[in-house]
Amino acid sequence: DIQMTQSPSSLSASIGDRVTITCRASESIRSCLNWYQQEPGKAPKLLIYGASSLQSGVPSRFSGSESGTEFTLTISSLQPEDFATYYCHQSYTTPQSFGQGTKLEIK
Amino acid sequence: QVQLQESGPGLVKPSETLSLTCTVSGGSISSHYWSWVRQSPGRGLEWIGHIYYSGSTNYNPSLKSRVTISVDTSKIHFSLKVTSVTAADTAVYYCARVSVSGGWLYYFDYWGRGTLVTVSS
Repeated sequence: DIQMTQSPSSLSASIGDRVTITCRASESIRSCLNWYQQEPGKAPKLLIYGASSLQSGVPSRFSGSESGTEFTLTISSLQPEDFATYYCHQSYTTPQSFGQGTKLEIK
Repeated sequence: QVQLQESGPGLVKPSETLSLTCTVSGGSISSHYWSWVRQSPGRGLEWIGHIYYSGSTNYNPSLKSRVTISVDTSKIHFSLKVTSVTAADTAVYYCARVSVSGGWLYYFDYWGRGTLVTVSS
């Protein structure tokens, strides 16, 4: 099975900060990497698919990139509504798998 | 706007069968994959499996012997059954629509609100 390792597991930041979250796959998953945002008590929400494609309706301050088996989610300027937990998800092979999550908190 | 809604018992006894339904509105079940994902504090987010509208399925090997996903003939809902449940199956269960880009990029673009299922006697 492919393991997805996210870092950091938690992060404190301020409004306006630039934030980067990383997800590393245990083997190649090509570009089959998606990012989701989850607020407490809610379902995950799709932000980025295919490593770097912005889902319709998602603000442009969110972006994704890839380098080999390392994938990055960047929020260019944090807004109050961005404080949530973020998950990566590989859909390259069965079983599909998720990272353990990165909780983004207000500093 | 596509909406998904999970329904089913919130409490299931150990060794019994967990049964959930996901009702799809605002769009057709046709031409999409439909998936179940669960989330628990101990296991995080876990992909259970998916079904294509035509009925073909793909399951997580760790659950395959106990899981069945089906789609109803009227094509407005799909279902999940997990047999022989234990406390480890206690989780929030989500249904989700799978979209495909370029024929090979799969992602969950619509999710239900989730339903908590507790396994306890």
